[in-house]
Amino acid sequence: DQQVKQNSPSLSVQEGRISILNCDYTNSMFDYFLWYKKYPAEGPTFLISISSIKDKNEDGRFTVFLNKSAKHLSLHIVPSQPGDSAVYFCAAKVTGANSKLTFGKGITLSVRP
Amino acid sequence: SAVISQKPSRDICQRGTSLTIQCQVDSQVTMMFWYRQQPGQSLTLIATANQGSEATYESGFVIDKFPISRPNLTFSTLTVSNMSPEDSSIYLCSVGSEPQYYEQYFGPGTRLTVT
Repeated sequence: DQQVKQNSPSLSVQEGRISILNCDYTNSMFDYFLWYKKYPAEGPTFLISISSIKDKNEDGRFTVFLNKSAKHLSLHIVPSQPGDSAVYFCAAKVTGANSKLTFGKGITLSVRP
Repeated sequence: SAVISQKPSRDICQRGTSLTIQCQVDSQVTMMFWYRQQPGQSLTLIATANQGSEATYESGFVIDKFPISRPNLTFSTLTVSNMSPEDSSIYLCSVGSEPQYYEQYFGPGTRLTVT
């Protein structure tokens, strides 16, 4: 049972435009959510996170939105740059547990120059 | 964030053999994690390794197949035993951000191909 779902396997956007990456989850116990970026032949790099007590967290060009009632979160990248081309993983956890992260399958983002 | 290195970065192994993957962290950490990413799949947690105690394995993973050592606060190994082609994956170690462990930071991964 996939508790964290990234239903779109890929996304292509023009440089300078907004990239919106979506993620859905089924486990209502999840209360902390993270986005990771992964380049080929490298490990995932932590990008941004959000606690369930918030509905938005912003860090530079990256903003994560959380809609708890819909069990949905999204990552917005504005403006998109060619260097943002990578695989983006959504992850979720229950705080206070053993820090286990549950990952989605990832979305491949391509930013066209 | 911690700097994490893994050895080897990649390997090609024959079925029935074993491979030990090393994970080194540049600072002392309490919790280390081992993940597997099969082709086209998400990252799946294999086990959690705390120094001084037995590793805790997730459902579907057993110690006989994936023995883990954690001899000190900066080092861990994962062995993939009696390998089959289904074990072909990327294996990643990670550490939790202390003290609250909200985030995890990953090593570069070991790409294993079993023929």
